[in-house]
Amino acid sequence: AQSVTQLDSQVPVFEEAPVELRCNYSSSVSVYLFWYVQYPNQGLQLLLKYLSGSTLVKGINGFEAEFNKSQTSFHLRKPSVHISDTAEYFCAVSPMIKAAGNKLTFGGGTRVLVKP
Amino acid sequence: EADIYQTPRYLVIGTGKKITLECSQTMGHDKMYWYQQDPGMELHLIHYSYGVNSTEKGDLSSESTVSRIRTEHFPLTLESARPSHTSQYLCASSERGDYNEQFFGPGTRLTVL
Repeated sequence: AQSVTQLDSQVPVFEEAPVELRCNYSSSVSVYLFWYVQYPNQGLQLLLKYLSGSTLVKGINGFEAEFNKSQTSFHLRKPSVHISDTAEYFCAVSPMIKAAGNKLTFGGGTRVLVKP
Repeated sequence: EADIYQTPRYLVIGTGKKITLECSQTMGHDKMYWYQQDPGMELHLIHYSYGVNSTEKGDLSSESTVSRIRTEHFPLTLESARPSHTSQYLCASSERGDYNEQFFGPGTRLTVL
């Protein structure tokens, strides 16, 4: 079984400041890792994913994340946020085994509030 | 344009009513999923399907049922709604394969009075 912990439930940040959202996971098998964003009253949209290769992953809207296997972490960063980045961000994992069939396990989410 | 649709977006009903939440995708994806999301909380998988006539229960127990008679359609039904069913329900789909991105619909926010 997998579990995902997002260490911050809310992160207030000023416009143009950097932001980091923390994500740690636990799994008995190797996993794929994802960050999704959910804007108010909308579904989830994929920001980025780590499947293999370089541990630094670049996504849409200027976001990037770094996979650290030894620390079982996948923290999300953006060097300069905009008001439009106000949203809920979810970290998720999927085990690298066929039987799992793409099933995702989500963290509790981090609400980012960008202030002018 | 390929997309995934959910109707209704919002639904307020009384206890005991039978309801069906609709989910359709035009991407030709084999795999489809239903998640339940309480306000400010994580998503929990309640049902999934790997193709026509295939349905499985997810990690979170749910009194709802699903069917998959057509590839593009994956409706969720509650035979007798209760206030404990109040939540947001998100539908998603993905291509066949070891791993492929899940695409999410906009969700249905259900309130049972």
